[in-house]
Amino acid sequence: SYVVTQSPSVSVAPGQTASITCVGNNIGGKTVHWYQQKAGQAPVLVVYDDSDRPSGIPDRFSGSNPGPNSGSTATLTITRVEAGDEADYYCQVRDSNTEHILFGGGTKLTVL
Amino acid sequence: QVQLVESGGTLVKPGGSLRLSCAASGFTFSANYMVWIRQAPGKGLEWVSHISSSGNTIYYADPVKGRFTVSRDNTKNSLFLQMNSLRAEDTAMYYCARILGGGNGGADYWGQGTLVTVSS
Repeated sequence: SYVVTQSPSVSVAPGQTASITCVGNNIGGKTVHWYQQKAGQAPVLVVYDDSDRPSGIPDRFSGSNPGPNSGSTATLTITRVEAGDEADYYCQVRDSNTEHILFGGGTKLTVL
Repeated sequence: QVQLVESGGTLVKPGGSLRLSCAASGFTFSANYMVWIRQAPGKGLEWVSHISSSGNTIYYADPVKGRFTVSRDNTKNSLFLQMNSLRAEDTAMYYCARILGGGNGGADYWGQGTLVTVSS
């Protein structure tokens, strides 16, 4: 079955750029969504359909995904990182063969 | 505004049953796929099940297939998760969420969750 993998942790200084990756076989052929979960809270959708932002999400958050057959890594990029961005971030895709929804294991973003 | 409120979580013994509910408001419930997602203590997010807007199409994660049943009542704007033969590994916060667009969309609104603890 399809699997997506995330690095367990990323650390970045305030004001710098954080890149959080989601690796899966030909992930460019799938649609990727990204969630932010702060401690003790429900997850929040920050990027959907690879690169779109819900209303209310700052444009510091952006997503990218290579096209079909163009790579295995989707990326969530957070520019001008703030202390309030410290959270766990999850990528999510759908396995088109089984229609199952899959989450990556999550990446903990630490703001130094 | 969109609101999702889960209820029904509690402490239950292994082998027991529980029914979770999710009350939706602020949007046209019958137009959206809905999903149940759980999170074990200190762990990541795990998809449990999702259901089409009409309720005719349902998918389950392998760990719960045959034990859990998802349903919805579009006349009452409610989503349900019937959980049978519960195991210790089912202990988790259970979230309901709305799926954008069709079944391939992201989950744009989440409830605050209801805690299920399976323990003797």
